[in-house]
Amino acid sequence: KNEVEQSPQNLTAQEGEFITINCSYSVGISALHWLQQHPGGGIVSLFMLSSGKKKHGRLIATINIQEKHSSLHITASHPRDSAVYICAVSYTGNQFYFGTGTSLTVIP
Amino acid sequence: EPEVTQTPSHQVTQMGQEVILRCVPISNHLYFYWYRQILGQKVEFLVSFYNNEISEKSEIFDDQFSVERPDGSNFTLKIRSTKLEDSAMYFCASSEGQVYGYTFGSGTRLTVV
Repeated sequence: KNEVEQSPQNLTAQEGEFITINCSYSVGISALHWLQQHPGGGIVSLFMLSSGKKKHGRLIATINIQEKHSSLHITASHPRDSAVYICAVSYTGNQFYFGTGTSLTVIP
Repeated sequence: EPEVTQTPSHQVTQMGQEVILRCVPISNHLYFYWYRQILGQKVEFLVSFYNNEISEKSEIFDDQFSVERPDGSNFTLKIRSTKLEDSAMYFCASSEGQVYGYTFGSGTRLTVV
């Protein structure tokens, strides 16, 4: 029930590239989070979505409920975007199940 | 911007000792959470707390763990008798409601020796 798969596990990009990180889950969910974890360990919530698409600055998150799939896109990537990006889903209630994360490195 | 504050940032404790990890959630938030992340592993849900009681807990959250909101501002996680495998980063988070995003604290790194 609580399988959350992210791909790729590691990603290296040149500054300015368009980046896509994918998240798949195995059964219907009530909500999906995209989180950013910096090298120091702190976690920042980027998006919470249950349908459609959200945009914040250079970040875009989409979710396809039928395909049980979400993507996080970063446009015009920058070295400061280097972090681990984590997908987390909830099925009912408050318990979120986390993916293992995608480690992104953006090279100047 | 409002923050979730966690103290201490790093705690070292001897195996078998009790530890209390402290969190000050955002003042108008109603839902409070504890998560942990063992080094190199994924983040794991421990417990959620609403209306002064536990609303949901994971299998990890056994009798060694307890949570409390003692004074209306602090939200604490107590581990009664720490084990080596309790060494992890512990994150507190709070939310206005279940349909809203979370704000995470910066974490407490617990090392049990």
